Parts: sequence; C-alpha cells; structure tokens
Amino acid sequence: AQSVSQHNHHVILSEAASLELGCNYSYGGTVNLFWYVQYPGQHLQLLLKYFSGDPLVKGIKGFEAEFIKSKFSFNLRKPSVQWSDTAEYFCAVIPYNNNDMRFGAGTRLTVKP
Amino acid sequence: SAVISQKPSRDICQRGTSLTIQCQVDSQVTMMFWYRQQPGQSLTLIATANQGSEATYESGFVIDKFPISRPNLTFSTLTVSNMSPEDSSIYLCSVDRDNLNTEAFFGQGTRLTVV
Repeated sequence: AQSVSQHNHHVILSEAASLELGCNYSYGGTVNLFWYVQYPGQHLQLLLKYFSGDPLVKGIKGFEAEFIKSKFSFNLRKPSVQWSDTAEYFCAVIPYNNNDMRFGAGTRLTVKP
Repeated sequence: SAVISQKPSRDICQRGTSLTIQCQVDSQVTMMFWYRQQPGQSLTLIATANQGSEATYESGFVIDKFPISRPNLTFSTLTVSNMSPEDSSIYLCSVDRDNLNTEAFFGQGTRLTVV
C-alpha cells in the first residue's frame, strides 16, 4: 500500500546536537512534500514544504529538508537543536492528482537541556 | 494563512451518545478535511468534504458513524455517532486555503474522551 514512512519513533538529543529525521514515501509521480511540527498542547504548524525547484528547502526556526527524488525521501535537518524544539514532527505528502494529505506516523523529538 | 476555529475544544461523552464538532474557516474554501489523531498516533484522514456534495470517506470510515455536513464554503460539521471508548481521539479540521495543494491549515482540534 502507498504510504509515508518515518523511520524514527522517538529521538532524544542534547542541546546543540544535529538533527536528521527520515521520511520516505511510496507514491509515484509528482508529489508535494511537507513537514509539520506539533508542540506540546498546540496544533499542527507548517515547518516547510517542497513543490518543485531547488530540492533543498529552508523552513522556519532553522529547519531545512532535502528532497531526493531517486530515494523517495524528504529528510528534515537542523544543525543545532534547542530545548524548545521538543515536539512531534510529521512528514506529509500530497500525491499527484490527489487533494488530501497523507501523514507519516510522526517522530517525537526530546531535546535535553 | 487561514484561521480555523473548532468547537468544542474538548468534551467528555457517555458511550452510545453522539457529538457534533463544528469547523469554521475565515475564508471560502472548496475542500475541507476531517482527520483523527488517536493517542500516540499520526493523523488519519476520515473524509473530504466538498460544498454541495456528499463527503468522500476513506477506507475504514463510514457515513453512518461519521456523518458530515458542508452547508457552505466556510463551515463544516463532523458527527461522531453512537460513541464507544475506541472513539476517544483528537478530531481535526483542515483546509487547503488556495485549493492548490500548497499547504494545509489545521484547527486546534477537538479532544474527545468517551467514558
């Protein structure tokens, strides 16, 4: 079945460590790709998105993601995390010729001060 | 960005009863989406609601259990019918503001607990 896969269920890092969260999708054709963040007790917020063009996209709060078409991947990165980055991170895809967004299972990030 | 208001923000309901969740958007949108986020899990799409037509349900969700209304381009409701504890979840309304699949905006969610 077509899906969005996030490899890490829970990641624990110390402040200033580098972050990379994996995301792979299995939809063929053109896709729109997103990373959302959900801070504790808050609603989903968009971190960044990719539709076309430069495969390295920069989002808010120092996050970036790289689209690698050959690997069907859209990994999220941040060079130096902060305690305030503690949250749940969701990768999402809108497949070609579709209108609804499909989510990965999410990765919980805990940053220790 | 789109401003989406959901009501109620939370509720505790008795099993066997029904709850209707309202979603109001600050601008007209073609499509509205309803998601469920069960404890510790990701978002699962329940259905897509277009104005003037019946909602389209995803596999595993049926209209009798989750009836949806879409009376106009800024409003939708989701009813969770004949509730059981397994329906305890966060229910989220979402819109694609420019109908171009460029971004989804979410309401703050309705946290439902069925006892």
